[in-house]
Amino acid sequence: QVQLQESGPGLVKPSETLSLTCTVSGGSISSYYWSWIRQPPGKGLEWIGYIYYSGSTNYNPSLKSRVTISVDTSKNQFSLKLSSVTAADTAVYYCAISHGDYFQNWGQGTLVTVSS
Amino acid sequence: DIQMTQSPSSLSASVGDRVTITCRASQGISNSLAWYQQKPGKAPKLLLYAASRLESGVPSRFSGSGSGTDYTLTISSLQPEDFATYYCQQYYSTLPYTFGQGTKLEIK
Repeated sequence: QVQLQESGPGLVKPSETLSLTCTVSGGSISSYYWSWIRQPPGKGLEWIGYIYYSGSTNYNPSLKSRVTISVDTSKNQFSLKLSSVTAADTAVYYCAISHGDYFQNWGQGTLVTVSS
Repeated sequence: DIQMTQSPSSLSASVGDRVTITCRASQGISNSLAWYQQKPGKAPKLLLYAASRLESGVPSRFSGSGSGTDYTLTISSLQPEDFATYYCQQYYSTLPYTFGQGTKLEIK
């Protein structure tokens, strides 16, 4: 079974760029769609965007101007960059795999706090 | 965006009860609906997709139904491990994917 693990800084300053990486194990990243999803503390889920292994992307329009998702097939990893962060971007960030358009496997999540 | 509204937002029930959670979409989504279970501090877990198809390994006490804009998740006989928060998610053709606000299922 494919496993996913998020990594990256847990604290980011306002106006800076949040950067996270998702490492895929137990399977190849060279298929399927790979998404980032976030959940503010005590709140619901928000899809951020996905990347196909070929590099094509699709982003949530609410975040599109600030989001970049990239893939490194040689490392079996994909990454998220979110620029110009504010306190509203404080959330648990999950990476996930989708074979269709729903999310079959999720990483454990990583909390990113935006604070000076 | 397609808005997803779940009801109720919270629910108290007892072990053995039959429970139903509803998800309503702001437009028809042609059964492009998934249900997830999330326990505190854990990632969501896929339960059903295509409105009624059970994900591999998910107990058969979970079932889904619906059409058009209205969908339901039913747990036929609640088990202690089922107390969690449940989310619906639509994946109809128009992005972005959107989730319901969640239904917290608590022990009575």
